[in-house]
Amino acid sequence: GENVEQHPSTLSVQEGDSAVIKCTYSDSASNYFPWYKQELGKRPQLIIDIRSNVGEKKDQRIAVTLNKTAKHFSLHITETQPEDSAVYFCAAREDYKLSFGAGTTVTVRA
Amino acid sequence: DTAVSQTPKYLVTQMGNDKSIKCEQNLGHDTMYWYKQDSKKFLKIMFSYNNKELIINETVPNRFSPKSPDKAHLNLHINSLELGDSAVYFCASSQGPPVSNQPQHFGDGTRLSIL
Repeated sequence: GENVEQHPSTLSVQEGDSAVIKCTYSDSASNYFPWYKQELGKRPQLIIDIRSNVGEKKDQRIAVTLNKTAKHFSLHITETQPEDSAVYFCAAREDYKLSFGAGTTVTVRA
Repeated sequence: DTAVSQTPKYLVTQMGNDKSIKCEQNLGHDTMYWYKQDSKKFLKIMFSYNNKELIINETVPNRFSPKSPDKAHLNLHINSLELGDSAVYFCASSQGPPVSNQPQHFGDGTRLSIL
């Protein structure tokens, strides 16, 4: 979205390594940050979300961190597997809607 | 069993035609959305309805008209289709409007191709 920037646009990692995707947002009132995974030809699926009252959330191999002061949040995938290959979108709830980042294409090399 | 279902899955049509896409959710949610995903994968909100009331109406050509007959259904009608309308259109739903910070669940998408 115009107000949510996501980096990098592409990421290639060796199987077993970690992947990190970073997003920044502009609206300091934003308080909800979901991450979606979209496999080729499929629908975006929510994989993890975080609300502004916590700084970190973990679910098995994925974790999200939030820095409200700096207005950025990150997705961390550890021990990557081939099935982690997909496009990942960050989003921020800004005012009345969800604004999405432009997406990161993650490729896990076997 | 599909939570958010859209029809049709694929839609190929000529420029200038009028077409509709239908969406239904069985999650008991009260808010539904239409998103457009362009060829660069960018996801952008178009419309949202909460309890059949329009709550989000982004800068979208007025050739696009949503309609929500009830909480479980949100349809999208497009008049005078143009080449630039080619995209994947996703329906989504959530329990509560965006300000409630509830997860949005997406349908499988409708791939619209204009010839």
